Amino acid sequence: EAQVTQNPRYLITVTGKKLTVTCSQNMNHEYMSWYRQDPGLGLRQIYYSMNVEVTDKGDVPEGYKVSRKEKRNFPLILESPSPNQTSLYFCASTPQGAYEQYFGPGTRLTVT
Amino acid sequence: DQQVKQNSPSLSVQEGRISILNCDYTNSMFDYFLWYKKYPAEGPTFLISISSIKDKNEDGRFTVFLNKSAKHLSLHIVPSQPGDSAVYFCAASGGDTGTASKLTFGTGTRLQVTL
Repeated sequence: EAQVTQNPRYLITVTGKKLTVTCSQNMNHEYMSWYRQDPGLGLRQIYYSMNVEVTDKGDVPEGYKVSRKEKRNFPLILESPSPNQTSLYFCASTPQGAYEQYFGPGTRLTVT
Repeated sequence: DQQVKQNSPSLSVQEGRISILNCDYTNSMFDYFLWYKKYPAEGPTFLISISSIKDKNEDGRFTVFLNKSAKHLSLHIVPSQPGDSAVYFCAASGGDTGTASKLTFGTGTRLQVTL
């Protein structure tokens, strides 16, 4: 089944404790993105990647890192999480030349 | 600076009637628009899209209209069904976003279809 998977689905952590949210897609898509969803703000792009080793900042990149060492994986790294990063996070992938993004199921992160 | 706006946070429609969800944008360089549907505890799923060279695109019960001069698009669902109850996001691409991989989303409209 073609899909985007994210792990973990739920995470509660404390301020300053480094964490990684994994994202993997099995559709051989070139583009991958990370978004966060917050009430009243919709989905905002954090980082995106156009292919392996090619990443760029989205609208809200502060406090986040990404890497794209393999085509299928695009992990999101929070080196020192803070409470304002409490949010619902979505990973998405898109085949080259298309606009439609395929989203994972989301990761709900709470930073206390 | 919200470049894509959905001014109605919620909408309630009776089953069988038409649902009209609206979206406005400010960036005149946007050239491709999409609608996504989102159920609770799931990721958004693509619904329908339209290129700026068209003013209408239809897919079954779903039709998207684009008015470029007004920088406005709308999604019509006819007839509305209870399974359509979800949050709907409009999204736009193009202009200074530079790549199809970058979408700018609106804040969403929660549609409730009542029996």
